[in-house]
Amino acid sequence: GEDVEQSLFLSVREGDSSVINCTYTDSSSTYLYWYKQEPGAGLQLLTYIFSNMDMKQDQRLTVLLNKKDKHLSLRIADTQTGDSAIYFCAVSGANNLFFGTGTRLTVIP
Amino acid sequence: ETGVTQTPRHLVMGMTNKKSLKCEQHLGHNAMYWYKQSAKKPLELMFVYSLEERVENNSVPSRFSPECPNSSHLFLHLHTLQPEDSALYLCASSQDQPSRYSPLHFGNGTRLTVT
Repeated sequence: GEDVEQSLFLSVREGDSSVINCTYTDSSSTYLYWYKQEPGAGLQLLTYIFSNMDMKQDQRLTVLLNKKDKHLSLRIADTQTGDSAIYFCAVSGANNLFFGTGTRLTVIP
Repeated sequence: ETGVTQTPRHLVMGMTNKKSLKCEQHLGHNAMYWYKQSAKKPLELMFVYSLEERVENNSVPSRFSPECPNSSHLFLHLHTLQPEDSALYLCASSQDQPSRYSPLHFGNGTRLTVT
């Protein structure tokens, strides 16, 4: 199966930008997603990117895809305390999505 | 009504008990999934059902037994579990299988503790 890797923790100050990184192994993945998980809840879809794109912007969120290096990132501009959560990268396979470990983002007021 | 509903939210069971987790989706989706979430590990896919047929079973121990009676309902039957089975069990659904644009929609999970 696919290996999807993320660092476990990231801390930023309120108002700064956050960048969460993800690497994956299967270059044939066609859709790549970012999910957010708040305490006590399931995963909520934030955004996605199709594999023939290299950037997608959606309000404060920017997704960058480097297909050659199999590297995906999520940038959150003007990070707020409400952005504190676990962020999961997921890449599509034939029958399911492959997820990383999640990156716990802590926003320091 | 939320899109994907899981019950119960919390479950504590002994190793000799038998219990079931329930998932219901109100989105008209065709595929349903069980994932296991443990601390500091990637989400582990357990089972996938597409149009009520099991399409993937990722070497899950037989003490976990899924059931999909129709496209809206998914169960996970549990028996003789081990303490290492304690985790958050997440149910998800999608319109189609993820090789197309078909994001997963998740429930809030059942927090299972095996004593």
